[in-house]
Amino acid sequence: QQQVKQSPQSLIVQKGGISIINCAYENTAFDYFPWYQQFPGKGPALLIAIRPDVSEKKEGRFTISFNKSAKQFSLHIMDSQPGDSATYFCAASNAGNMLTFGGGTRLMVKP
Amino acid sequence: GAVVSQHPSWVICKSGTSVKIECRSLDFQATTMFWYRQFPKQSLMLMATSNEGSKATYEQGVEKDKFLINHASLTLSTLTVTSAHPEDSSFYICSARDTTRGSWGQYFGPGTRLLVL
Repeated sequence: QQQVKQSPQSLIVQKGGISIINCAYENTAFDYFPWYQQFPGKGPALLIAIRPDVSEKKEGRFTISFNKSAKQFSLHIMDSQPGDSATYFCAASNAGNMLTFGGGTRLMVKP
Repeated sequence: GAVVSQHPSWVICKSGTSVKIECRSLDFQATTMFWYRQFPKQSLMLMATSNEGSKATYEQGVEKDKFLINHASLTLSTLTVTSAHPEDSSFYICSARDTTRGSWGQYFGPGTRLLVL
């Protein structure tokens, strides 16, 4: 049972544009929602994370928006750059324990 | 900070042999480490949770006798793929939580690519 659904599967954005990736979860016990960036052949790198007591968190060009009632959260990448081209995974966990990952989004930023 | 290493980064072995993969937390202690498996263009699938000083907890469908996990210290967990077969070829990634910093973040190693011939 896939508990975290991620969309879109792939995304093409022009340089300077905004990349938006969405995730929805089912388990209301989840209370920690990180986003990871993964380049080919590398392990995932923690980008940014949010807990449900806030609706938005921003770190540099990366912003998480969180909607607890809808059980949805999204990643916004502002001023997208070719170097941002990677696969992005959302995830969810209960108290930082085992992570349940979304299916991933392959982002390509065209120069 | 929060650096996790894995060794080896890639390994090629013959069918029937065993392969050991090490996961180390370099600048923090990790009572809990996690082992994931990732097939090409797919998401990460949790295989097992490794707890220091106790037996690992395996996810449904993961054979504990085939994937042996040992978490002997607060900085080292090992995954041994026993009697490897070509279908075990995959990208194996570990992660660790730095609980001492009060963070819930999991930090991933660079992964180990296993090819079984």
